[in-house]
Amino acid sequence: GQNIDQPTEMTATEGAIVQINCTYQTSGFNGLFWYQQHAGEAPTFLSYNVLDGLEEKGRFSSFLSRSKGYSYLLLKELQMKDSASYLCAVSHYGGATNKLIFGTGTLLAVQP
Amino acid sequence: DVKVTQSSRYLVKRTGEKVFLECVQDMDHENMFWYRQDPGLGLRLIYFSYDVKMKEKGDIPEGYSVSREKKERFSLILESASTNQTSMYLCASSQGLAGGEQYFGPGTRLTVT
Repeated sequence: GQNIDQPTEMTATEGAIVQINCTYQTSGFNGLFWYQQHAGEAPTFLSYNVLDGLEEKGRFSSFLSRSKGYSYLLLKELQMKDSASYLCAVSHYGGATNKLIFGTGTLLAVQP
Repeated sequence: DVKVTQSSRYLVKRTGEKVFLECVQDMDHENMFWYRQDPGLGLRLIYFSYDVKMKEKGDIPEGYSVSREKKERFSLILESASTNQTSMYLCASSQGLAGGEQYFGPGTRLTVT
């Protein structure tokens, strides 16, 4: 079956760095996505990893190790507006197209 | 700018009513998805469609049906609403067989009383 684990909540300080981990077990792995979701809003795409290694995009970076079933999202120079839920999602082949299986999300609170 | 819209942000219905949730995307995407999002359970896939008139069940299809008569529109139908269907419903779309990045609509908060 499919299983995705990520911490429920994290707290960090403005200006600091935070790492949100995600571990997964899935068949037909086809990549891993990170989404950001502010309260009451739709999820928005942050990053995509399909090969092992680090993908950097401004203040955000995402890492993938397929052999370990592990990914992390790294947020640098934290800002108050980064307070949100961060969703890890694994893409797997679902028959006619790829489907996403989502973790329950990590609620990040950035404090002054 | 890519856009996925949903017919209502908030909806209140009574138990037993038939409920229609509409989703429209303007990106000419092949794939469209319906999720529900509940605290502690995350986003769960109800149904998806990879082409007009084509649909497949997701992880929690019971109590729901869908319709896709046009490429840009994907409807979720609750045949007889129940209180356990009170939830946030999110529609998404993506391009091509590879799936890829999904673009989400703003969501519909449905309350069934």
